[in-house]
Amino acid sequence: DAGITQSPRHKVTETGTPVTLRCHQTENHRYMYWYRQDPGHGLRLIHYSYGVKDTDKGEVSDGYSVSRSKTEDFLLTLESATSSQTSVYFCAITPERGATDTQYFGPGTRLTVL
Amino acid sequence: GDSVTQMEGPVTLSEEAFLTINCTYTATGYPSLFWYVQYPGEGLQLLLKATKADDKGSNKGFEATYRKETTSFHLEKGSVQVSDSAVYFCALNRDDKIIFGKGTRLHILP
Repeated sequence: DAGITQSPRHKVTETGTPVTLRCHQTENHRYMYWYRQDPGHGLRLIHYSYGVKDTDKGEVSDGYSVSRSKTEDFLLTLESATSSQTSVYFCAITPERGATDTQYFGPGTRLTVL
Repeated sequence: GDSVTQMEGPVTLSEEAFLTINCTYTATGYPSLFWYVQYPGEGLQLLLKATKADDKGSNKGFEATYRKETTSFHLEKGSVQVSDSAVYFCALNRDDKIIFGKGTRLHILP
């Protein structure tokens, strides 16, 4: 158990509204990731972070931004939600950097954009 | 770029049947390979991994062998149980990121 929590766990919102999802970890790990999971696509990387204020884009970053002002929190923001962003969002962490590393996942946030 | 291809599901088996889920990869160099499992309503969790050619990862009766010559990492289990019903993801590690296959849903009938 890597001590990862996500909030909220479920959210329904309307098109055009801003949404922020929070990932919180208790183990002080440096590397954090945001994925979305959709049927037929598996998991796709949205953004990731190597440390405080150090973030980079993944393969599906359009329409999303992230922030990491503290080691333990990684926030994902949808500035203006669209129906195509209806998905299940997972946060993950990697304890150490290296080619053999395992990622540990949070429980997920189910987001519905009407 | 690097990619992972796994057999499409759903796969439906009877309890105690033999399971194989195929996975092949495309990558430069020698990435580490993983199988993750996702039970209903939960996040992914690591099932097993292998870090170099000919390594065999194993856990909970599941096994997979890193085959460099065929670029494959097939998941096998000799006798499945109803509790193995889940979605299984093959993945590889590349530059601090993990690339996932699309997942294979497994249904085990009692």
